[in-house]
Amino acid sequence: GAVVSQHPSWVICKSGTSVKIECRSLDFQATTMFWYRQFPKQSLMLMATSNEGSKATYEQGVEKDKFLINHASLTLSTLTVTSAHPEDSSFYICSARDLLGRELIEAFFGQGTRLTVV
Amino acid sequence: AQTVTQSQPEMSVQEAETVTLSCTYDTSESDYYLFWYKQPPSRQMILVIRQEAYKQQNATENRFSVNFQKAAKSFSLKISDSQLGDAAMYFCAYRRWGDTGTASKLTFGTGTRLQVTL
Repeated sequence: GAVVSQHPSWVICKSGTSVKIECRSLDFQATTMFWYRQFPKQSLMLMATSNEGSKATYEQGVEKDKFLINHASLTLSTLTVTSAHPEDSSFYICSARDLLGRELIEAFFGQGTRLTVV
Repeated sequence: AQTVTQSQPEMSVQEAETVTLSCTYDTSESDYYLFWYKQPPSRQMILVIRQEAYKQQNATENRFSVNFQKAAKSFSLKISDSQLGDAAMYFCAYRRWGDTGTASKLTFGTGTRLQVTL
């Protein structure tokens, strides 16, 4: 099956700094990538949808200036948490869909990134 | 807006037995997809099974099968011959019928934690 690689797996940063998380589709081209946030023992909450070459679409309540998303190529999307604070500590997961939009092939998920802001 | 409800926060099953996880959803769409995802302790999201709404036949994947009741908007997952490796969080998810961008985002339920005992 298709592989989505997400890095880093975990990161600890100081409050006020910025952190970049990468999501790569390794063996397919992804027109659309999704970024989710998951708090402990809770479900995945969609933060934003990014399409290659265009601006991301953010879900209601998600701060665009805080969570910067870039989808510059068909194989890479990045999420940058700017001026991170302890409340941003969470598990972030990306997923990607195949360029061909093959309906029988679902979005594939990265391994997730555990962010801890101290 | 579509919503997905999983009313069982936790379930337990003995090894080799059968368990059914419940999921209901609300939508005004006639065409859509439904999924069950598994999230083991590694937190990697794994697709278990999918169902296209236009198909009357229930999807089956080895020990996993669904009971899809479109009129009742119900989509339960049955796991037969449960194994220790089935222990995980299980999320039911909905996706609109659409190829591009935000139309293809997943809406997740709150999850059911499945324990498998000896």
